[in-house]
Amino acid sequence: EPEVTQTPSHQVTQMGQEVILRCVPISNHLYFYWYRQILGQKVEFLVSFYNNEISEKSEIFDDQFSVERPDGSNFTLKIRSTKLEDSAMYFCASSVWRGTEETQYFGPGTRLLVL
Amino acid sequence: AQKITQTQPGMFVQEKEAVTLDCTYDTSDPSYGLFWYKQPSSGEMIFLIYQGSYDQQNATEGRYSLNFQKARKSANLVISASQLGDSAMYFCAMREGSLQGAQKLVFGQGTRLTINP
Repeated sequence: EPEVTQTPSHQVTQMGQEVILRCVPISNHLYFYWYRQILGQKVEFLVSFYNNEISEKSEIFDDQFSVERPDGSNFTLKIRSTKLEDSAMYFCASSVWRGTEETQYFGPGTRLLVL
Repeated sequence: AQKITQTQPGMFVQEKEAVTLDCTYDTSDPSYGLFWYKQPSSGEMIFLIYQGSYDQQNATEGRYSLNFQKARKSANLVISASQLGDSAMYFCAMREGSLQGAQKLVFGQGTRLTINP
């Protein structure tokens, strides 16, 4: 069964450094998402992406964040200058609509630790 | 206001018993979708079950069923014959609208389910 993949599974970085989190969505899916989950908290929406542009972004998704689909298969989240509070699990998700139904399938996540 | 409320931070159940995880939601949109995801200790988010707001019947997927009570705005997950492997965090989530497009999910705080042998 096809699945969303994410790399790396874990990343440790120094505050102020740039990180790029990578995702390969399910191949026939058209809609892509990033969510994050701070340890012990609920999952929060960051950004959605369709047709090579951002559809919606949350207030968390400030100028330090950007997303890209550089080659038609990968979907990346870049954090330009990481802060301590960016430490979280980052999930990529992808979906396709079938009529009025859409299910988002999540990748295994990247656990980011900013020191 | 919270869009998704899960009032049970933790639940403990004996193996083989059925368990109900509560979820209430708040929306004024007549079209919405409700989801349950399982998050084991390894951290991944596993899709379990989906209920559309216009679905007449409660959704079922194997041992999982969704007790959808639209007037009460509740979408409780029922796991029958619980197994040790069901121990995990469970999240209820909602998507508002049914027009095709990239529409975010809003999650509840989650319920940590522990199955005792």
